[in-house]
Amino acid sequence: NAGVTQTPKFQVLKTGQSMTLQCAQDMNHEYMSWYRQDPGMGLRLIHYSVGAGITDQGEVPNGYNVSRSTTEDFPLRLLSAAPSQTSVYFCASSYGDSTEAFFGQGTRLTVV
Amino acid sequence: EDKVVQSPLSLVVHEGDTVTLNCSYEVTNFRSLLWYKQEKKAPTFLFMLTSSGIEKKSGRLSSILDKKELFSILNITATQTGDSAIYLCAVETNAGGTSYGKLTFGQGTILTVHP
Repeated sequence: NAGVTQTPKFQVLKTGQSMTLQCAQDMNHEYMSWYRQDPGMGLRLIHYSVGAGITDQGEVPNGYNVSRSTTEDFPLRLLSAAPSQTSVYFCASSYGDSTEAFFGQGTRLTVV
Repeated sequence: EDKVVQSPLSLVVHEGDTVTLNCSYEVTNFRSLLWYKQEKKAPTFLFMLTSSGIEKKSGRLSSILDKKELFSILNITATQTGDSAIYLCAVETNAGGTSYGKLTFGQGTILTVHP
């Protein structure tokens, strides 16, 4: 039972580079989300999706794009990396509202 | 703007102590409050609370919600070194036009339990 799988686990980027963080879940969950976690700030919602083809912005969406072409996958794209995007990124999925969210193991991203 | 505040931000105790972690919130369209434990990597689910005054319990951990005073507490009795972690509180709210339950997290409480 894989749950929520994120790749890569670690990544170093140069300022201005682009990349995609992958997230896949095998639980047939409708809801998927991306969060970033910075020291002293908890987790902040970047983008979320309530189903294939439907996405929306969270609290801190600038500099990130998402798409949801399938139920299983929810990639997060950094268009032009900036040092302020250095963070730990978590993908989460849940069956629906008022159900627990399951988190991936995180991607530690450093932008130099 | 939805806001969730946890206190204390960090706590150091010895094995066997009892700890109380606090979570207060100011949100619109409250749905539920969740507690997570985060050790080295992914947060893992502890409790979901939707009704005031009903205690949820799992082993040495328990939690209760007060929807009138807008707070929740997480109690850990007889702490062990394995309880050392970041404890995250999150409040689920309606996110407008969809039925999506948006989570707003507090800053977390870092608990360190010494032998």
